Amino acid sequence: QLQLQESGPGLVKPSETLSLTCIASDASITASGYYRDWVRQSPEKGLEWIGSLYYNGDIYYNPSLKSRVTISGDTSKNQFSLKLNSVTAADTATYFCARRGSRTNMSVIPGTEVWGQGTTVTVSS
Amino acid sequence: DIQMTQSPPSVSASIGDRVTITCRASQDLGNWLVWYQQKSGKAPNLLIYKASSLQTGVPSRFSGSGSGTDFTLTINSLQPEDIATYYCQQAYSVPLTFGGGTKVEI
Repeated sequence: QLQLQESGPGLVKPSETLSLTCIASDASITASGYYRDWVRQSPEKGLEWIGSLYYNGDIYYNPSLKSRVTISGDTSKNQFSLKLNSVTAADTATYFCARRGSRTNMSVIPGTEVWGQGTTVTVSS
Repeated sequence: DIQMTQSPPSVSASIGDRVTITCRASQDLGNWLVWYQQKSGKAPNLLIYKASSLQTGVPSRFSGSGSGTDFTLTINSLQPEDIATYYCQQAYSVPLTFGGGTKVEI
């Protein structure tokens, strides 16, 4: 059973870059038909999709964050990463990595079956 | 962006009650609607996909219905372990968007 684990600093200073890595337990994280997602959750904004890396390399970002976000993958290490620059207090949230099935692939469940446990990131000086 | 509106924001019910949560989308989703359950301090857990398909391992007291813009999650015979916040999410297009959540309490 695939497991995901987020790692990275829990405290980031305003204007700096938030960097998180998601470590997957096996290579199924990059299987055909799946997205590697970053989602965050805060009391103010609720659940917010940040962006996705598709198995074929396509990348999608939330337009509200697009200018500050970079998602990348390292298939050799079964990892993918999130970088969010110029952070402010509004970026304080719990960040989740996840694997989501594509609705265009009939072989997978079109939803997010696998989530990391989440990591809390606070933006503060 | 597709806006997802859930109601009610919270519901208080008794064990054994039927609980109904609604989700309305700002545009036609077909049946590309997902429901999640989130317990305190945990990641969301997939309950229903494609509006009405029950995820493997999810108790049959959970059911989903609807299409287009109006969707419903029903919990038949509420159990103590169902205390959680429930979210809908549209899987039709990016940016993916979630409802604001419905907190189910006893």
